[in-house]
Amino acid sequence: DAGITQSPRHKVTETGTPVTLRCHQTENHRYMYWYRQDPGHGLRLIHYSYGVKDTDKGEVSDGYSVSRSKTEDFLLTLESATSSQTSVYFCAIRRGTDTEAFFGQGTRLTVV
Amino acid sequence: AQKITQTQPGMFVQEKEAVTLDCTYDTSDQSYGLFWYKQPSSGEMIFLIYQGSYDEQNATEGRYSLNFQKARKSANLVISASQLGDSAMYFCAIPGKGGYQKVTFGTGTKLQVIP
Repeated sequence: DAGITQSPRHKVTETGTPVTLRCHQTENHRYMYWYRQDPGHGLRLIHYSYGVKDTDKGEVSDGYSVSRSKTEDFLLTLESATSSQTSVYFCAIRRGTDTEAFFGQGTRLTVV
Repeated sequence: AQKITQTQPGMFVQEKEAVTLDCTYDTSDQSYGLFWYKQPSSGEMIFLIYQGSYDEQNATEGRYSLNFQKARKSANLVISASQLGDSAMYFCAIPGKGGYQKVTFGTGTKLQVIP
């Protein structure tokens, strides 16, 4: 199994509260990704990182921010959670080009 | 920017039959690759197969093969001899170019294998 861990696995939070999801890897892979998965939409890219402190937006980045201060951790923050951010969030890592992505187990986030 | 389209939201296949899942893409990159993933009802994402656009032969991994037709910009997944355990969501994905490697996924196809 690829060494990738997401925490927490489940979270219920209230509208307007900040939430941080953590992705931790032990593989020293360069690329890290955050996706959200919703029925009918597949996996949509929120943000990704191509190195320490190097991040960029994906297609659904509004309302989310990320940080990567060291290779092994990629944090996704919802500054003020909304009900539309209720989703399953997946983190993924890749070693380099022409390599597959390995996924974490997912985090189920419910905003009430 | 890359774009991936999976036009089959759901499909049925009889056990032991072969099935083709469609994936078309749009990219301006000269060199690119295409991934396929499986997501069973348990939720984990499982890598199945990858092929680069520069590979001459279609990729094969066990019962999975990739039917890559660059002129049509399609990269269909063929599953031979379907099994009940193949029932799952299937996603294709394309990575971006160069050092950024943004990976874009399609919306998925739900495959159900009928006994």
